Amino acid sequence: AQKITQTQPGMFVQEKEAVTLDCTYDTSDPSYGLFWYKQPSSGEMIFLIYQGSYDQQNATEGRYSLNFQKARKSANLVISASQLGDSAMYFCAMREVSSGGYNKLIFGAGTRLAVHP
Amino acid sequence: DVKVTQSSRYLVKRTGEKVFLECVQDMDHENMFWYRQDPGLGLRLIYFSYDVKMKEKGDIPEGYSVSREKKERFSLILESASTNQTSMYLCASSLAGAKNIQYFGAGTRLSVL
Repeated sequence: AQKITQTQPGMFVQEKEAVTLDCTYDTSDPSYGLFWYKQPSSGEMIFLIYQGSYDQQNATEGRYSLNFQKARKSANLVISASQLGDSAMYFCAMREVSSGGYNKLIFGAGTRLAVHP
Repeated sequence: DVKVTQSSRYLVKRTGEKVFLECVQDMDHENMFWYRQDPGLGLRLIYFSYDVKMKEKGDIPEGYSVSREKKERFSLILESASTNQTSMYLCASSLAGAKNIQYFGAGTRLSVL
């Protein structure tokens, strides 16, 4: 069963508007972390934002915020005031513990965002 | 800034060849990871290493092996490349610890003909 689900293969948004990228997750571990990464056409994955399961407040980093709804098991990324340079693939990821007891990440399939002028 | 460097951006190899993908990080991170990325599947973990000479299988280790002889370097080896290993390969590193924020290299696009 998928542990990280990104239901939007593609999204588009007008420049300067806000956009929400959806992510739901599945875990029975009470301690976990959620991440968003951006992958421009150049290929490099860029870390954007992190939310711990015990964090009381939603994480924010500049124009990025994470809408964390624990009961719904969702961790949506909100990008405010979209810019042309935000056009990229966006991946949601969750930290889980490996069989050997080490932290690793599992990723969703990604959402391709296109920002239109 | 964390720097993760992958030795090649593009590689073309023939079926049956032994292929080495190299990754170097300069931030003294304990953990290093190899992923492959395919359209519609996101990133899938092949192997990771949590210390020198220590490794653990990820979700899709079949057909791959790894080597970590020095802390800064993590190599992915395709013992006998096959066409279904044509993919984008991404290396990452992170500190040991709870957050496990991973920092990635630019990727190697491998084509096996």
